[in-house]
Amino acid sequence: DVKVTQSSRYLVKRTGEKVFLECVQDMDHENMFWYRQDPGLGLRLIYFSYDVKMKEKGDIPEGYSVSREKKERFSLILESASTNQTSMYLCASTPAGTGGWYDYGYTFGSGTRLTVV
Amino acid sequence: LAKTTQPISMDSYEGQEVNITCSHNNIATNDYITWYQQFPSQGPRFIIQGYKTKVTNEVASLFIPADRKSSTLSLPRVSLSDTAVYYCLVGEGTGGFKTIFGAGTRLFVKA
Repeated sequence: DVKVTQSSRYLVKRTGEKVFLECVQDMDHENMFWYRQDPGLGLRLIYFSYDVKMKEKGDIPEGYSVSREKKERFSLILESASTNQTSMYLCASTPAGTGGWYDYGYTFGSGTRLTVV
Repeated sequence: LAKTTQPISMDSYEGQEVNITCSHNNIATNDYITWYQQFPSQGPRFIIQGYKTKVTNEVASLFIPADRKSSTLSLPRVSLSDTAVYYCLVGEGTGGFKTIFGAGTRLFVKA
């Protein structure tokens, strides 16, 4: 019954490394999102995509980029990892159109806990 | 964008009804209200949505007053397994691209 899969549950990377976080959904959803979650701050939107090759910045895009070459896959890229990017990263998807996100909700993956040392 | 405010934490006992209220004073006409539940080491899970009045499903009820400036998630007869963080999320009806998750309410259910 897995619907949104994030490639790693735990990841440890060194400062300055280029980091790829992968997300795959099997629900044929048009919209995909990347959030980070930090204690006391809730979930903050990094980037979202509403179609293949389309992307939009969220609230905290600095230091991140994304790639969506196929409908089912949305990748988050940390160009040069820094310690302040240590966080839980959550991928989500929703169907397109009016009502898609609130009738069906965001479907989230289980998250990737990234530690940058 | 409608900012949401929730209590940081709540305690309850098994079998009690729990009501969690979310304030969203600047909600727009075409905004919808949704609630999510999150367990440790998991992503949030969609529970319920509404626009106005009352909505009920197998998990919870959602009460929305006429002015829509707040909403209350009601969990009937909670059990230990309802211990989780609950998020209120408000966003525009068309795409849901610009929604803001607040810090959530940590509910702790005691035996």
